[in-house]
Amino acid sequence: ETGVTQTPRHLVMGMTNKKSLKCEQHLGHNAMYWYKQSAKKPLELMFVYNFKEQTENNSVPSRFSPECPNSSHLFLHLHTLQPEDSALYLCASSQDLGAGANVLTFGAGSRLTVL
Amino acid sequence: GQNIDQPTEMTATEGAIVQINCTYQTSGFNGLFWYQQHAGEAPTFLSYNVLDGLEEKGRFSSFLSRSKGYSYLLLKELQMKDSASYLCAVRDSNYQLIWGAGTKLIIKP
Repeated sequence: ETGVTQTPRHLVMGMTNKKSLKCEQHLGHNAMYWYKQSAKKPLELMFVYNFKEQTENNSVPSRFSPECPNSSHLFLHLHTLQPEDSALYLCASSQDLGAGANVLTFGAGSRLTVL
Repeated sequence: GQNIDQPTEMTATEGAIVQINCTYQTSGFNGLFWYQQHAGEAPTFLSYNVLDGLEEKGRFSSFLSRSKGYSYLLLKELQMKDSASYLCAVRDSNYQLIWGAGTKLIIKP
């Protein structure tokens, strides 16, 4: 248990479904992130929030919609996904966005399969 | 463009030593990180280097040469539980993390 909890751990959805991924951190961190992890590829940063405000949207398609109601919770709303969106979606948090050893703490991920 | 290179897969024997290399070409440099990720689990922080040299932490050590754009992670006295993927990441001049694709380390008895 890292202090960052993601649900669900596994999700299968059709291309017309709407679903949401949830992330919760109990570390008192101010920054939260969504990453996409595909096999044998580098982690892809999707969204960054700092003190509930979105600071980065890395050219992510609009079928992915993030929501950060407070510094402890982060959601990723999914709709009209494509099969190529199948991947492991990792949530992470850090104390802030500053310099130094700003270590990321990751959740175990939500494994998404789009049929 | 920015790029991080690390071997896709390595195999080593229990009890031995293994070195996982990472080379990078980035726009500026503000630190290099190593993370460990067991299959189906969260990546976890191993080490952070910002100055040249070797940082030792138990059985794991990480080395950095900024002039060569090079780092390595050294694992000693390998144990079966060290079987995992090892991710190298560099923070560039904009404080963005650039990630390698990871090295899958297989430990054999």
